[in-house]
Amino acid sequence: IAGITQAPTSQILAAGRRMTLRCTQDMRHNAMYWYRQDLGLGLRLIHYSNTAGTTGKGEVPDGYSVSRANTDDFPLTLASAVPSQTSVYFCASSDSGSAWADTQYFGPGTRLTVL
Amino acid sequence: GDSVTQMEGPVTLSEEAFLTINCTYTATGYPSLFWYVQYPGEGLQLLLKATKADDKGSNKGFEATYRKETTSFHLEKGSVQVSDSAVYFCALRDGGFKTIFGAGTRLFVKA
Repeated sequence: IAGITQAPTSQILAAGRRMTLRCTQDMRHNAMYWYRQDLGLGLRLIHYSNTAGTTGKGEVPDGYSVSRANTDDFPLTLASAVPSQTSVYFCASSDSGSAWADTQYFGPGTRLTVL
Repeated sequence: GDSVTQMEGPVTLSEEAFLTINCTYTATGYPSLFWYVQYPGEGLQLLLKATKADDKGSNKGFEATYRKETTSFHLEKGSVQVSDSAVYFCALRDGGFKTIFGAGTRLFVKA
């Protein structure tokens, strides 16, 4: 069982370029999430999706967009990358987006550097 | 709003030492509490959780007790190993879609 896969593993990107980070899960979880991890700040939620066809904004959504066309995939797009988006990005999923005791399962992360 | 505060690291211990990583929270409701662990180069994974007051979560020798009166969920382990070196995140979920994470505490265990 693969769980959650993310691609690419790492990427160096010129400012102003468009970039899509890919995330796929094989656990048939309803909810999926995108976080960014920055030193000293923990994880901050960018966008989430409670079920296929629906998305919502998290804590730091500006400059990012997502789509959820099906249960398994949840791509994150940076329309025009800026250096402040340099970070490690984690995709996660959980069985239900609303259950208060839900455990989240994380992918291995994508390290993105914007120059 | 809801928040999680955990002790700053790094924490450096010798093998077989006792570990405590403090975590306190603020929440308007009755959250579930979690500890996640991140090993080098990997994503986070659940270590343990507790869903109501006085519950004790435990896994791999780690324990944490949900203390509503002190709004705390401190992580403890009686004897750490080199393989426990990682970053530990305290987190809460208070209904809805959002999990609130602390900033993380890095643990180094020396042989």
